[in-house]
Amino acid sequence: EVQLVESGGGLVKPGGSLRLSCAASGFTFSSYSMNWVRQAPGKGLEWVSSISSSSSYIYYADSVKGRFTISRDNAKNSLYLQMNSLRAEDTAVYYCARAESPVWYFDLWGRGTLVTVSS
Amino acid sequence: DIQMTQSPSSLSASVGDRVTITCRASQGISNYLAWYQQKPGKVPKLLIYAASTLQSGVPSRFSGSGSGTDFTLTISSLQPEDVATYYCQKYNSAPPLTFGGGTKVEIK
Repeated sequence: EVQLVESGGGLVKPGGSLRLSCAASGFTFSSYSMNWVRQAPGKGLEWVSSISSSSSYIYYADSVKGRFTISRDNAKNSLYLQMNSLRAEDTAVYYCARAESPVWYFDLWGRGTLVTVSS
Repeated sequence: DIQMTQSPSSLSASVGDRVTITCRASQGISNYLAWYQQKPGKVPKLLIYAASTLQSGVPSRFSGSGSGTDFTLTISSLQPEDVATYYCQKYNSAPPLTFGGGTKVEIK
């Protein structure tokens, strides 16, 4: 089955860190660009970060630049998001999403993992 | 950065009605526009890409049009299962990628 499964969300204090993972299956992971998109409670979709198929190109939203790091391991069919210096406004469901290079729309989404930043 | 503005932010229509949602880009993006549907409590789903190309499996009552800065998503005959929030997204170049603010569609 073609799917993306996120993990690693949870409750963390402001200033803390968290590492999200996304496990891909059912398709050739190394052929696709991968992305993180988040959705704060009751709010719209916000693009967070993207990484090209070979990790040659990496992009971040201004809101997370310098705090979040995206990476991937094509041998493990996995995508990661290291989140440091977390703030209350980072509270959201984080979705892993696939994009078929060279276009950047998302044709496959995971179910998401909830990150809550609160003291 | 290019901004994406959707209108209306919400609408209520009757079953069978024709529904139109608009998305406007602050700069021209050719036809590099996608539409997503997010049903309550569910994951976003790709409906349309390249402004007018229907993703596989999407019902033909959905259609998209536009180019440059102005785009529309049309539901030709609204069905109860179409209750959702709809988002546009531009992808005319490498990231940053931007979503519109969303349009919530309800049944009257």
